[in-house]
Amino acid sequence: EAQVTQNPRYLITVTGKKLTVTCSQNMNHEYMSWYRQDPGLGLRQIYYSMNVEVTDKGDVPEGYKVSRKEKRNFPLILESPSPNQTSLYFCASKPGHSKISNQPQHFGDGTRLSIL
Amino acid sequence: QQQVKQSPQSLIVQKGGISIINCAYENTAFDYFPWYQQFPGKGPALLIAIRPDVSEKKEGRFTISFNKSAKQFSLHIMDSQPGDSATYFCAASRGGTSYGKLTFGQGTILTVHP
Repeated sequence: EAQVTQNPRYLITVTGKKLTVTCSQNMNHEYMSWYRQDPGLGLRQIYYSMNVEVTDKGDVPEGYKVSRKEKRNFPLILESPSPNQTSLYFCASKPGHSKISNQPQHFGDGTRLSIL
Repeated sequence: QQQVKQSPQSLIVQKGGISIINCAYENTAFDYFPWYQQFPGKGPALLIAIRPDVSEKKEGRFTISFNKSAKQFSLHIMDSQPGDSATYFCAASRGGTSYGKLTFGQGTILTVHP
């Protein structure tokens, strides 16, 4: 089954304790992205990757890091989490690597992070 | 700065009625306008999408109407069903250096009463 898998699904942690949210896709997609979803703001892009070892900032990258060492994996790293990073996070992937925008993105089921 | 503005925030419709959600965008470089449907505990899933070279696209009970001059597009759900109760997001994206990035609206929580 084609899917984007995120782990963990839920996490409660404390300020300053480094954490990693993993994302894996089995569709051989070149493009992967992280979004955060906050009430009244919709989803906002944090980071994206167009291929292995190619990553770039989205709209809200502050406080986050990513890496893309393998095509299937795109972990999101919070080096020193703060309460304002409490949110619902989604990983997404997209087929192809052309400059055409209108290809559907496939989303994982989300990770709810609470930073106390 | 919200480049895609969505309304209403919430919508209650009776079974069999028509649900209408509206979006307006600012960036004329956008060339792809998808709608996503999200159920509780799940990620957004593509529902229907349109490009600006057409004014309307219909898939089953779901229709997108697109007005390029007004920079507005809307989702119409005909014969709304309780199973349509979900959060709906409009979005926009463009190719080139911004390839793949989706700019989302704020979301609309749709409740369809039986």
